[in-house]
Amino acid sequence: QVQLKESGPGLVQPSQTLSLTCTVSGFSLTSYSVHWVRQHSGKSLEWMGRMWSDGDTSYNSAFTSRLSISRDTSKSQVFLKMNSLQTEDTGTYYCARGGIPPYYFDYWGQGVMVTVSS
Amino acid sequence: DIQMTQSPSSLPASLGERVTISCRASQGISNNLNWYQQKPDGTIKPLIYYTSNLQSGVPSRFSGSGSGTDYSLTISSLEPEDFAMYYCQQDASFPNTFGAGTKLELK
Repeated sequence: QVQLKESGPGLVQPSQTLSLTCTVSGFSLTSYSVHWVRQHSGKSLEWMGRMWSDGDTSYNSAFTSRLSISRDTSKSQVFLKMNSLQTEDTGTYYCARGGIPPYYFDYWGQGVMVTVSS
Repeated sequence: DIQMTQSPSSLPASLGERVTISCRASQGISNNLNWYQQKPDGTIKPLIYYTSNLQSGVPSRFSGSGSGTDYSLTISSLEPEDFAMYYCQQDASFPNTFGAGTKLELK
């Protein structure tokens, strides 16, 4: 069955770089897009960016200058790297699969909580 | 970016009650509107896509409607597992954006 699972450090220091991994199973990264979505505590969801099935990427302009998404298809993993972290980046980070179309997010990971603090 | 305004932000309701959550886009989104449910443990799942299409496995008491800028999610008869957060999302325009959420809580 389709599964996505995020992993990464729970605590990151301010100004440092966040590195998260989304490991997927049950589908191929060359057939579906994978997206990253952030949620501040108790707040709404914010789309960050995506890895297309062809390897291309798109980013929300709110993050463009410090966000990078890549993948390793042999390991079925999609990576998020975001630098210059601030306390406002604290939240839960989700990866989700995008449809081909329709483009809604049909499967989500459980999310990984990230705290930015010294 | 398209702004999505969800209402109400909080909705107290009783078991068996029929409820409706609204979502208004700041410009027309041509039915490219999806609904998601988030449980207290953080689990998110899709309910409705492209305005009115029920995601596989979602009970038929959930339905969606709308057009242009105004959309809604209706739950015909509330079950205990329906008390959760609900978010609308538009994918008509880049970047896709979400509403602020509606907390459906037991009255």
